[in-house]
Amino acid sequence: DQQVKQNSPSLSVQEGRISILNCDYTNSMFDYFLWYKKYPAEGPTFLISISSIKDKNEDGRFTVFLNKSAKHLSLHIVPSQPGDSAVYFCAASRRHGEKLTFGTGTRLTIIP
Amino acid sequence: NAGVTQTPKFQVLKTGQSMTLQCAQDMNHNSMYWYRQDPGMGLRLIYYSASEGTTDKGEVPNGYNVSRLNKREFSLRLESAAPSQTSVYFCASSFDGQIVSYEQYFGPGTRLTVT
Repeated sequence: DQQVKQNSPSLSVQEGRISILNCDYTNSMFDYFLWYKKYPAEGPTFLISISSIKDKNEDGRFTVFLNKSAKHLSLHIVPSQPGDSAVYFCAASRRHGEKLTFGTGTRLTIIP
Repeated sequence: NAGVTQTPKFQVLKTGQSMTLQCAQDMNHNSMYWYRQDPGMGLRLIYYSASEGTTDKGEVPNGYNVSRLNKREFSLRLESAAPSQTSVYFCASSFDGQIVSYEQYFGPGTRLTVT
């Protein structure tokens, strides 16, 4: 049972445009959500997080939106840059610091 | 400050062979984790250790054992490797306090092939 789902395995976006990556979850006990970015042959690196008490969190070009009623979160990257080409994983936990459940990942390709 | 290091980077095993994957962190983190990544499956937690001397099963522990040797090191052992254990293995660590916790930092991974 996949509790965290990323339904788009891949996404291509023009450089300079907005990239929107989506993630859905089924476990209503999840309280804390994160996005990780992974380049080939490297480990994932933390990008941005959001607690369920918020509906938006921004960090530079990256913004995460959380819609608790829809059990949906999204990552917006504006403007997209070639270095953003990577696999993005969303992850969730029941509280900050507990075990993470990861989605299957979305491969983002930024077209110059 | 090397962060999280893993050895080896690559390994090929025959079915039935055993091996230990090593992981070390130099960030004074108390929690450590082992994940495997398979195509279309994301990262799945194998085992984790919330502190030195404690270990707990994750989502996919069968066929694996772990040892939290000290605060820095957390090893993963395959006693009798099977082709289904062909995967990329990631070690991670984090600082988890009573009130505040921080994000997990990952090592570069070990690519294991079992033939």
